[in-house]
Amino acid sequence: SAVISQKPSRDICQRGTSLTIQCQVDSQVTMMFWYRQQPGQSLTLIATANQGSEATYESGFVIDKFPISRPNLTFSTLTVSNMSPEDSSIYLCSVAGTASFSYEQYFGPGTRLTVT
Amino acid sequence: DAKTTQPPSMDCAEGRAANLPCNHSTISGNEYVYWYRQIHSQGPQYIIHGLKNNETNEMASLIITEDRKSSTLILPHATLRDTAVYYCIVRTTVVGGGTSYGKLTFGQGTILTVHP
Repeated sequence: SAVISQKPSRDICQRGTSLTIQCQVDSQVTMMFWYRQQPGQSLTLIATANQGSEATYESGFVIDKFPISRPNLTFSTLTVSNMSPEDSSIYLCSVAGTASFSYEQYFGPGTRLTVT
Repeated sequence: DAKTTQPPSMDCAEGRAANLPCNHSTISGNEYVYWYRQIHSQGPQYIIHGLKNNETNEMASLIITEDRKSSTLILPHATLRDTAVYYCIVRTTVVGGGTSYGKLTFGQGTILTVHP
């Protein structure tokens, strides 16, 4: 399996500000995904980040609100821009696609964001 | 939208087998069934996946019906630490960003409570 770390693990932010979440993997992966989990809800895919190309966003999510970077095969960032209380969620990084686990997808521990 | 239907909750006695059902009647021939679980405040944990044959690993067994329209995850000897939300997911294939990749769409899952 892959070891995934996220920074920060949690944060409390004021509305109108932005937060960048980092995701680091201990091995090279093809695909990286960003999910959101609102309080009491299931996970919702925000976007898919393939190294060397623009991120692909799901319906309801836009690049201006959630810009993503994928500079190499082990790292990605998600920025939550111009935050409002409705952005309070757990944000999860997920990875897939290596020679050792081409059919499996693993999740990081999540970043718990509270917007006041 | 998720392509699976699961009961919202189930109970199981410690030491007994937990059998978690999942319906996926619209599954396509090349789509895999994945199971994850999420223990409170943690990232989802991969359990097992399968296409049409039954699968077993150190965590669980996956039984897929011959018509592939339903499956059952079996935890052979449930412990209190198995209390979690269990997600059954049909992984769809997406073509985009110059590649094809598997996409996991989470439903609401089954809350499994293991009691002494």
